[in-house]
Amino acid sequence: EADIYQTPRYLVIGTGKKITLECSQTMGHDKMYWYQQDPGMELHLIHYSYGVNSTEKGDLSSESTVSRIRTEHFPLTLESARPSHTSQYLCASSELDPRGTEAFFGQGTRLTVV
Amino acid sequence: AQSVTQLGSHVSVSEGALVLLRCNYSSSVPPYLFWYVQYPNQGLQLLLKYTSAATLVKGINGFEAEFKKSETSFHLTKPSAHMSDAAEYFCAVSDPKTSYDKVIFGPGTSLSVIP
Repeated sequence: EADIYQTPRYLVIGTGKKITLECSQTMGHDKMYWYQQDPGMELHLIHYSYGVNSTEKGDLSSESTVSRIRTEHFPLTLESARPSHTSQYLCASSELDPRGTEAFFGQGTRLTVV
Repeated sequence: AQSVTQLGSHVSVSEGALVLLRCNYSSSVPPYLFWYVQYPNQGLQLLLKYTSAATLVKGINGFEAEFKKSETSFHLTKPSAHMSDAAEYFCAVSDPKTSYDKVIFGPGTSLSVIP
């Protein structure tokens, strides 16, 4: 059973607010990811990390930022939320060597900015 | 660039009928391939993966997929659909051009099961 957790599951927040989406995993995985997914649409990689103090931009440009101070924790922050940020955000983790190893996903955070 | 295509954004089958979800990838080097399932308001869960061993891969919930290099395909099948199979299915490929560093997801296929 995968152990990767995202909080909150649902968030409705006003424009201009700062928000942090939490993601934690207890599997000791070095690699972690953030994907953005609009309803019924494909996943877009927005950030990933190889380990502590490593952060990389993904394929889809995002105004969000991430940090990796601890192996198990990979929070995503939006300094000033806008309605265009409304989406589902999925966190995932995997072993460092990606060859043949799958990613484990959290249940997602559905963000609505009003 | 590596890409993954899934033919048919929506597929409907009757309960008990064969499920066939199509996935094709573009790569001159065989990648690692995955099928994930996503139930409403949930994250993705791995169904099965191809890692260059057997070309016919069996996964959870009765699903299986066959890697066909000549067709660059990795179609997902299940002999008999169950109502609980209704979900979104994503094919994904681990890109050899980035040393398998990135996993690229297809656009997804929504499966409906008709009673």
